[in-house]
Amino acid sequence: QVNLLQSGAALVKPGASVKLSCKASGYTFTDYYIHWVKQSHGKSLEWIGYINPNSGYTNYNEKFKSKATLTVDKSTNTAYMELSRLTSEDSATYYCTRGLGAWSFFDYWGQGVMVTVSS
Amino acid sequence: DIQMTQSPSLLSASVGDRVTINCKASQNINKYLNWYQQKLGEAPKLLIYNTNNLQTGIPSRFSGSGSGTDYTLTISSLQPEDFGTYFCFQHNSWPLTFGSGTKLEIK
Repeated sequence: QVNLLQSGAALVKPGASVKLSCKASGYTFTDYYIHWVKQSHGKSLEWIGYINPNSGYTNYNEKFKSKATLTVDKSTNTAYMELSRLTSEDSATYYCTRGLGAWSFFDYWGQGVMVTVSS
Repeated sequence: DIQMTQSPSLLSASVGDRVTINCKASQNINKYLNWYQQKLGEAPKLLIYNTNNLQTGIPSRFSGSGSGTDYTLTISSLQPEDFGTYFCFQHNSWPLTFGSGTKLEIK
């Protein structure tokens, strides 16, 4: 069965960076794009960007271009998102999810990881 | 960016009711509209993709319709397990965008 397993919750200091992981199983990793979505507490969802695991090509929401960096490790079927120069505005739950392509709905989601930015 | 406006933002209904949730896009999204259900502490779950296609495993009481800028999610007979927040999502144009959500409460 398809599973996207995300790393655990993170408490990070303002100005620091954090790298979140998303390990895929139950399907061919390179057949689907990995997208990342942000959900601030009690609010709606924002699409951050995607990575094509086969080529490593990425595309970002302009809002997150200087905030997020997406990478993959095909040898371990794992996608990563690094968030840099963290502020309180980055405190949120982050989800990885998969889509058949760049323009796609998302059928399976990771369980989400909560990032808290606090000194 | 395409703005997705959902209505209502809060909906209270009884078991057995027919429920509709609306989503209006700020421009034509060519039926690339999807619906998700989210329960507290969980990831969103795909219900409907590309306007009217039922995701595998989703009960047939859920259905979707629409075109152009206006889309609707319908629950034909509300069940107790249908509480949660519903989001629409468009994948027609960059950046991909979600609606602000409709919280469905069971009376």
